[in-house]
Amino acid sequence: AQSVTQLDSQVPVFEEAPVELRCNYSSSVSVYLFWYVQYPNQGLQLLLKYLSGSTLVKGINGFEAEFNKSQTSFHLRKPSVHISDTAEYFCAVSFAGGGNKLTFGTGTQLKVEL
Amino acid sequence: GAVVSQHPSWVICKSGTSVKIECRSLDFQATTMFWYRQFPKQSLMLMATSNEGSKATYEQGVEKDKFLINHASLTLSTLTVTSAHPEDSSFYICSATSGRTGNDEQFFGPGTRLTVL
Repeated sequence: AQSVTQLDSQVPVFEEAPVELRCNYSSSVSVYLFWYVQYPNQGLQLLLKYLSGSTLVKGINGFEAEFNKSQTSFHLRKPSVHISDTAEYFCAVSFAGGGNKLTFGTGTQLKVEL
Repeated sequence: GAVVSQHPSWVICKSGTSVKIECRSLDFQATTMFWYRQFPKQSLMLMATSNEGSKATYEQGVEKDKFLINHASLTLSTLTVTSAHPEDSSFYICSATSGRTGNDEQFFGPGTRLTVL
């Protein structure tokens, strides 16, 4: 069975500082990895995804993530955050042959302060 | 990107009544739609997977007779919460994809806030 762990429920950070949101997964088969952002009372928007190839993936809004197979991690990073990045961030995983079913982590609330 | 809409965006109903939520893919044909439930400050929990023209596949613990899902066309899926009770109050989110391979992007609707009094 697959599982996704986001260890940090909340991450406070000052504007223009760098941030890393952690995500670890567990799976016995090959996985596809995703990061989504959710603003209050809205659906989810895809930030980036790892399917194959280069382990460093660049997404929208200046975010990037690196797939580390040996550590089963897919941490999300941004070198300089903005107030508008305040939101809930979800890591998710699906696997080949799984029919696009996504398993989500519990989410990390990123709060950017002045 | 592809757009998925949900209607209504919020609904308040009395206990014992039924509520229907629509999910539409506006500019693509969705072979598969997913229904999720999200409690406050928690993650999304998959309720069911719906393929056009076939019966929905429900996740373990989800009552199929309570949460009726219909995917009658490639652009529309509906979730009906039957005999709703206060514990059914939640944020319901749908998503849609045009593929079945596992790496196809899911496009999410804006969600429907259900409050059962």
